[in-house]
Order: sequence, then C-alpha cells, then structure tokens
Amino acid sequence: AQSVTQPDIHITVSEGASLELRCNYSYGATPYLFWYVQSPGQGLQLLLKYFSGDTLVQGIKGFEAEFKRSQSSFNLRKPSVHWSDAAEYFCAVGAFNDMRFGAGTRLTVKP
Amino acid sequence: GAVVSQHPSRVICKSGTSVKIECRSLDFQATTMFWYRQFPKKSLMLMATSNEGSKATYEQGVEKDKFLINHASLTLSTLTVTSAHPEDSSFYICSARRGHEQYFGPGTRLTVT
Repeated sequence: AQSVTQPDIHITVSEGASLELRCNYSYGATPYLFWYVQSPGQGLQLLLKYFSGDTLVQGIKGFEAEFKRSQSSFNLRKPSVHWSDAAEYFCAVGAFNDMRFGAGTRLTVKP
Repeated sequence: GAVVSQHPSRVICKSGTSVKIECRSLDFQATTMFWYRQFPKKSLMLMATSNEGSKATYEQGVEKDKFLINHASLTLSTLTVTSAHPEDSSFYICSARRGHEQYFGPGTRLTVT
C-alpha cells in the first residue's frame, strides 16, 4: 500500500533562512508526487509535482523539490523563506484515483 | 484553469439535521471527484471517490448512509451529511480529477451544534 511520511510535525525557521521539508514515500511503482500548501482555514494549493523526467522540480513561490528514488524521498526546499510562507505543507503520493497525504509539516517563520 | 469551487464555505447546523455541500469543477469536466475530511491540525483523510453516473466508492470506516454522495453531472458532486452530530464537525474538502492531478476546492467548515 502506498503511504507518505513527513517526519517533521513542526519546523521553525528565521525569515531569510533556507528551508527543507522532508517527505518519504512508499509506493509500488513509479509514483506521482506532489507538494501542497495550506493556509489556515483554506484549501490546498499545489506548489509542485513530479511525474517523470528531471528529478529536480521547480514550483511556484520559489520552491523546488528533488525526487530521489534510491531514498524514496521527495524533499521540498526553498533558499530563502519569507514570512508569508508560514503555513501547513503536505506531501502527497498517488496516481489517478488514489492520492495519499502525509501528516503535514507546520512551518513557522520567525522575524 | 482547473478551478474547483465549494459551497457553502461555512455552515452551522443543529444536531439531527442534514446539510449538503456542493463541489463544482468550473472550467473542466470531471468524471471523478473526491471527498476528504480534515480534522484540526491533521492531514486529509479520503472519505470517498465519486464517479459521475455511478455509486460512490467509500473508504473503509466511512458510513455511506451517513455521508451521501451524488455525482449527477460532470461538473457537480454533492456530499450530504445526514442526521449530523457534533462529531461530524470538521473541514470537508473536495477535489476533481483531471488527468493525473486532483484540483482541490477551498473547503467547507461544518459545525454541528
């Protein structure tokens, strides 16, 4: 069965610092991988996705993620965090009719 | 493109009543839509998969008679919470599938008093 693990429940970084959010997955085939961001009381916004090809994926708002098959990971990165990046981040794996989400990582940004 | 709306965004209802939540794909047709439930500070849990013109497929542990799903058109799926109780209070999010991706609605906050 497919599953997603986000090991960090809560991360705090200073504004301007770099960020890496971890995501590990378990999937029987080549996965489709996603990162979403959710602001309080809001729906999900897609940051980026990986289906195939280049393993380094660029997304919106300056985010990128790297697919590492050998490590079953799809970590999200941003070189310089802005205060507006404070939100909940979800990694998801799936295909077609079956998408599974990680537990989420809450990002706090210190001024 | 690929916009999904939900209505209402917030609803408060009394215990024992039913409430309907609509999910619409505004600029594309979606044969498959999904309903998720999100508890406070928790992840999204898939409740059911809604297929246009056929019965919904429910995840294990989700009561199909309590959470009625109808997908009568290619742009509309509805979730009806029947005989709602305070424990049904939650954030409900729908999504619509297009190709390999799901596009999410903004969510509906249900509070049952």
